[in-house]
Amino acid sequence: AQKVTQAQTEISVVEKEDVTLDCVYETRDTTYYLFWYKQPPSGELVFLIRRNSFDEQNEISGRYSWNFQKSTSSFNFTITASQVVDSAVYFCALRGQLGDNDMRFGAGTRLTVKP
Amino acid sequence: NAGVMQNPRHLVRRRGQEARLRCSPMKGHSHVYWYRQLPEEGLKFMVYLQKENIIDESGMPKERFSAEFPKEGPSILRIQQVVRGDSAAYFCASSPEREGLLNIQYFGAGTRLSVL
Repeated sequence: AQKVTQAQTEISVVEKEDVTLDCVYETRDTTYYLFWYKQPPSGELVFLIRRNSFDEQNEISGRYSWNFQKSTSSFNFTITASQVVDSAVYFCALRGQLGDNDMRFGAGTRLTVKP
Repeated sequence: NAGVMQNPRHLVRRRGQEARLRCSPMKGHSHVYWYRQLPEEGLKFMVYLQKENIIDESGMPKERFSAEFPKEGPSILRIQQVVRGDSAAYFCASSPEREGLLNIQYFGAGTRLSVL
């Protein structure tokens, strides 16, 4: 069974603080993909990153960084120097091997960044 | 390159009516997925379609729900005889045909269905 857990339901920070959103996953597949999506108040889902299970290199994109650790089945997302525009619900998702059409989403973490 | 287009953005229906949600995938994408997001919850997979074929409908309720992706035109998610529990945001995603990019799904803005 595949499962994604985002234990933090809501996080509130003050602008310029760093914040880490946790994501823990379960899968029996040896090949899988992990994703993060952002859902701002306007409601659309914005793709942020995809990671495959063979690439554990951490990634940085501007103020965003991702820490993928297979040993702990985690794929955490850090926003450095948060801004008000970062306020959104963030979803972590898992998809198994090619042909597995069911992308499993976590319940989401609502991030509020206050000025 | 326009993104995934869903319409309407908001749809209000009374109990017992039919709801039709439309999704036009990104240009060049031939795979379409529908997800449902209940209030305060994550997205739940419903159905995966390619042109003229339903590939996987394991997440779709057995009754009242149907989906199609015709050769021409958008994908349609149809909900017959809607009930209050159908109130949710319905998201469509598409992905390209090329194998290396199969797993990136690009999402539309969603259709928010409210059943009165």
